[in-house]
Order: sequence, then structure tokens, then C-alpha cells
Amino acid sequence: EPEVTQTPSHQVTQMGQEVILRCVPISNHLYFYWYRQILGQKVEFLVSFYNNEISEKSEIFDDQFSVERPDGSNFTLKIRSTKLEDSAMYFCASSEWASSYSGANVLTFGAGSRLTVL
Amino acid sequence: SQELEQSPQSLIVQEGKNLTINCTSSKTLYGLYWYKQKYGEGLIFLMMLQKGGEEKSHEKITAKLDEKKQQSSLHITASQPSHAGIYLCGADKNAGGTSYGKLTFGQGTILTVHP
Repeated sequence: EPEVTQTPSHQVTQMGQEVILRCVPISNHLYFYWYRQILGQKVEFLVSFYNNEISEKSEIFDDQFSVERPDGSNFTLKIRSTKLEDSAMYFCASSEWASSYSGANVLTFGAGSRLTVL
Repeated sequence: SQELEQSPQSLIVQEGKNLTINCTSSKTLYGLYWYKQKYGEGLIFLMMLQKGGEEKSHEKITAKLDEKKQQSSLHITASQPSHAGIYLCGADKNAGGTSYGKLTFGQGTILTVHP
């Protein structure tokens, strides 16, 4: 079964450092997403990406965050200068389409990248 | 903004027992997704419901969306230890089903199944 793969599975970094989290979405999917889950809290939407640009972003996704699809397979989340409160599990997801009316807006999630900021 | 409330927050059952998890929305649900999360792992898609009164089943898990589309339930029949995990409901944030993948999630229900 096709899957979304994320690397690294766990990263520890010092506050103020830049972090890049990587994802390989499912190959025929067109929409890509990042979500995060702070320990003990809900899974939260960060950003969606389609056709090489951001479709939607949440209030959390400020100037410290950026996303990129540097080649035909990878999708990355960069945090420029990490803060303690960025410590969370970051999930990448992808879907064929974006509208739930099509029935194909099922997001397939990766296993997550746990980021610990010290 | 839409909020999803799940109940119960946690559930401990004996293997073989039936159980139900509820997900209640403050607004009309235009697309309701059930995912399962194992501790420290990703979210595994279970089912999606769109129409009021819709019911879907997969193996021993049945999900329903009520007629008014503001509540969904997930029912597990004859639970097994493999059913243990965190069950999350998620909903399209935007009306009309065009969420563009922007889902709101409930806080999750932790299910423990004792052999």
C-alpha cells in the first residue's frame, strides 16, 4: 500500500537553530499538507500546498515557517529559528484531491517527525 | 470556528466487548473523517462520512453520521487488543466540502483493550 514517508523520525535541536523536516508524499497525489501535534494536544493544521504554492495556512504558520517542493518527490517544512514551543510531532500528509465532495480528499498521513527543541 | 468534542476521553474495555465513541460538532459537518493513531505514530484513515444518516462499516468498525450532520459515532463490535489506540475524528473546516485538506480534529479517545 502506498505510504507517506517522513524523515527524520526524531530530531533534537537547540533553540534558534534551523530545522528542515522532509516528506515523500504518495506519488500520484497532488495536495500536500503539514500538521503538528504538541504533546497532549489536538492535531492542528499548519499548511496546505498545491501546484507549487501555498493554498491555505493557519495562524500558527508564521514567517518562521516555510514549505517547499524542491524536486518531484520531496516536500519539506523549514523552521528558520526554532523556539521551545515548536517542540511537537509534525505530520506530513497528501491527498489526490482537495474537495471532500469528490470523495478523494482522504488525507494519508506519514508516521511523523518528532521535534524536540532544547 | 468549528470545534469537535469527543467522548469519552478514554475507554478501557475487556476483549470481546462492544464500545462506542462519539464526536460532536458545534457546526454542521460537511465531511467527517475517523482516524486511528497508535502512540507515537501517524494517523491511519478508517472512514469518511458525508451525508446525513450515512453509515459505513469496515471489518468490526461501524461509523455513522447523524441526520442533522452534527454528530458522528464510531462503534467497535467484539473489540480486540489490535483495536487499541487513539481514535480521532476530523472535519472539514470550510463549508461546502472544500476544505482543501484543512481539517479540524477532536482531542482523541484513548482506547485500551485488555485481553
